[in-house]
Amino acid sequence: DQQVKQNSPSLSVQEGRISILNCDYTNSMFDYFLWYKKYPAEGPTFLISISSIKDKNEDGRFTVFLNKSAKHLSLHIVPSQPGDSAVYFCAASETGANNLFFGTGTRLTVIP
Amino acid sequence: DVKVTQSSRYLVKRTGEKVFLECVQDMDHENMFWYRQDPGLGLRLIYFSYDVKMKEKGDIPEGYSVSREKKERFSLILESTSTNQTSMYLCASSLGGIGNEKLFFGSGTQLSVL
Repeated sequence: DQQVKQNSPSLSVQEGRISILNCDYTNSMFDYFLWYKKYPAEGPTFLISISSIKDKNEDGRFTVFLNKSAKHLSLHIVPSQPGDSAVYFCAASETGANNLFFGTGTRLTVIP
Repeated sequence: DVKVTQSSRYLVKRTGEKVFLECVQDMDHENMFWYRQDPGLGLRLIYFSYDVKMKEKGDIPEGYSVSREKKERFSLILESTSTNQTSMYLCASSLGGIGNEKLFFGSGTQLSVL
């Protein structure tokens, strides 16, 4: 059963506007969350993370929000740029565990 | 920067052939992982290893085996390939321990089984 879900397979946004990518999880033991970005024919690269003790983490144009009560997190990209076009994966982990659980990914297309 | 190197970018094999996918990391990481990525299914864990000669099954281990004889190297073995093993295979490593869950990925191997 998928413990991390990304219900939107794709998203298109105009350049300069905000991109919002969503992720839901079912396991209440998860306490560390990450976003990865993947270009075609390349491995995923780490983008940003958040611990469950926070509800927001910001790094430049990227902000991740965590709503623990709703078991929901989102990634905001402002302003969106054509180079942001990629597949974005949400991942979650439990402290001390060796494994990450990944969502199915959202393909973001930023239109110039 | 951590470097995770996968031996092949593209492979084409015939059904029933044996395949070795090699992965090497250069940052003395404890943990190594093999995932496969398929459209609509995301990244699914095949096997992982948290120490030399140690291995743990992931979500989809059937049809695969692994070997970790040295800390820096983790191999994925497909004993007898089938067409449903056509996929992008991704190796990853992590430092391990609390607070070090971040994975570093290789560039991937696109395997096509005909």
